[in-house]
Amino acid sequence: QKEVEQNSGPLSVPEGAIASLNCTYSDRGSQSFFWYRQYSGKSPELIMSIYSNGDKEDGRFTAQLNKASQYVSLLIRDSQPSDSATYLCAVYGGSQGNLIFGKGTKLSVKP
Amino acid sequence: ETGVTQTPRHLVMGMTNKKSLKCEQHLGHNAMYWYKQSAKKPLELMFVYSLEERVENNSVPSRFSPECPNSSHLFLHLHTLQPEDSALYLCASSQEAHWVAGGRPQYFGPGTRLLVL
Repeated sequence: QKEVEQNSGPLSVPEGAIASLNCTYSDRGSQSFFWYRQYSGKSPELIMSIYSNGDKEDGRFTAQLNKASQYVSLLIRDSQPSDSATYLCAVYGGSQGNLIFGKGTKLSVKP
Repeated sequence: ETGVTQTPRHLVMGMTNKKSLKCEQHLGHNAMYWYKQSAKKPLELMFVYSLEERVENNSVPSRFSPECPNSSHLFLHLHTLQPEDSALYLCASSQEAHWVAGGRPQYFGPGTRLLVL
């Protein structure tokens, strides 16, 4: 069974701090990795894609991928209250080929 | 309209009713998906269509019946549902189906919140 694990949180950080969200996956053949943001009562919104080892930056967001450790993370710099949401990690399995979602980490940014 | 749209946004139905969910994507994508999202559980893939052909059916009960008349439209026909089917039903689309070139990101519609009484 291909799995994607995330700490459910809630993760609480003060405004302006760095929020660090982590995700591990079980399928070593996984090729593509995504982070989605989901506000309460809304649908998931794609915020980052990463396909190769290392860091990828987009504005205040940085995705980090380490395939050897089967680990992907999302850093949010200068966190804002508007970043308060559930963040879903999604991984394309290698052999299975489906997009597998974690249960999500709930982030709360306190003013 | 832009992106992925879904109607209705909210639906209440009895266990003997028949209803349909509609999804339309305006992104020129070739693949479309139905997902179910229940509280405390990860997103569950239900169906995948690639170029109007169903290519995935993840052991979904027959009371859920998908239809994809063209690459822009996707329906989910519902009949004799159970209360445990109450959930958020999400439609998504991607440039190509997930097994092409290591996977493409999927873009979600706003979802239909379904309550089965």
